[in-house]
Amino acid sequence: SQTIHQWPATLVQPVGSPLSLECTVEGTSNPNLYWYRQAAGRGLQLLFYSVGIGQISSEVPQNLSASRPQDRQFILSSKKLLLSDSGFYLCAWGGQAGNTIYFGEGSWLTVV
Amino acid sequence: AQSVTQPDIHITVSEGASLELRCNYSYGATPYLFWYVQSPGQGLQLLLKYFSGDTLVQGIKGFEAEFKRSQSSFNLRKPSVHWSDAAEYFCAVGALGRDDKIIFGKGTRLHILP
Repeated sequence: SQTIHQWPATLVQPVGSPLSLECTVEGTSNPNLYWYRQAAGRGLQLLFYSVGIGQISSEVPQNLSASRPQDRQFILSSKKLLLSDSGFYLCAWGGQAGNTIYFGEGSWLTVV
Repeated sequence: AQSVTQPDIHITVSEGASLELRCNYSYGATPYLFWYVQSPGQGLQLLLKYFSGDTLVQGIKGFEAEFKRSQSSFNLRKPSVHWSDAAEYFCAVGALGRDDKIIFGKGTRLHILP
């Protein structure tokens, strides 16, 4: 069966510091991969999605970037965090063409 | 581009009462539609999905949803709620054959009165 792992689960970082959140999927190949951010009262905001290695689509211009160095690995990064980057970040994977997506357990990021 | 509207931010119902959570979507082609549930501090769990066929879909935990193309709606229902149903519920729409984005609504938080 397929599983998705996301880490770290919680993170407290000072403003201006870098960020790296990692997500890996097991039990499937060539998945679509997604990063969402959830802020209070704003639902889930799609940040990035990827349909293959090295293929990243950005939905919202911001202080973050994503990379997909391997088929089942998706990394969310920032060079310098802002206070507004605080939130709950969710990685998800899915099949092709709008198939169901499945979420990891999420990462709480607090920028102080 | 697709979009999803969940008009109710909070809903409170008594335990044992029926429930309907509203979802309206905007998309020019045939959508994929989903309902997810999120308990506090957790990831999202799929409740049900509509891809094609029967417009009334059954999900886990006794939930169902009905796709109404004429109203661009995909409302979630449950005939009798339990205290454990208290959570946040998200409606989502995916694009068929265009790209693989799945867009979520802002969510509806469900509160259950004992």
